[in-house]
Amino acid sequence: DTGVSQNPRHKITKRGQNVTFRCDPISEHNRLYWYRQTLGQGPEFLTYFQNEAQLEKSRLLSDRFSAERPKGSFSTLEIQRTEQGDSAMYLCASSPGGLNTEAFFGQGTRLTVV
Amino acid sequence: AQKITQTQPGMFVQEKEAVTLDCTYDTSDQSYGLFWYKQPSSGEMIFLIYQGSYDEQNATEGRYSLNFQKARKSANLVISASQLGDSAMYFCAMREGVNGQNFVFGPGTRLSVLP
Repeated sequence: DTGVSQNPRHKITKRGQNVTFRCDPISEHNRLYWYRQTLGQGPEFLTYFQNEAQLEKSRLLSDRFSAERPKGSFSTLEIQRTEQGDSAMYLCASSPGGLNTEAFFGQGTRLTVV
Repeated sequence: AQKITQTQPGMFVQEKEAVTLDCTYDTSDQSYGLFWYKQPSSGEMIFLIYQGSYDEQNATEGRYSLNFQKARKSANLVISASQLGDSAMYFCAMREGVNGQNFVFGPGTRLSVLP
């Protein structure tokens, strides 16, 4: 397994368009996280999946954001009607269960809304 | 309220010297985990070191050690013998919750190693 994979790496879109990002976690990891990171800031938690169940969702996640993890494998994050404030790096991470396990991050998808 | 506080937006250290990056955290859980990650300019998040809330010994990984003071809720990262390649953003993170599902990050400290 080559680690967490995110596609696309870069996305430029016009304001108002919908975008979808994909994350393929490490195969045996049951936990999957999405974060948003703006320049010079720490990753902000967006949402969390345990297997296929979405168990946590940040208040930062407006109704325009939706995430899925069908069958507990890959995950998608969709942003509808994008706004310029959505421009950021979107990071996906996966981990096994337990308190003492680190999260493994993908390379991220950089979204630019013009 | 912020779960993780890193009060040093930027730090400078001379090559080969040691540096301490501060982290304080807030949780009401008895069981939790504390992590440090490095993010170089290339953007990838690199796991450095872990400390469990019940661990009695401070964690060490090569040149990295964690100064864990549970009563003060602090988990400072110590980097010994700094190298130019250590220049990066450093993030403190905490995993908490019944199943460890909450995994939150601090705002980070930018470390610059001077030759």
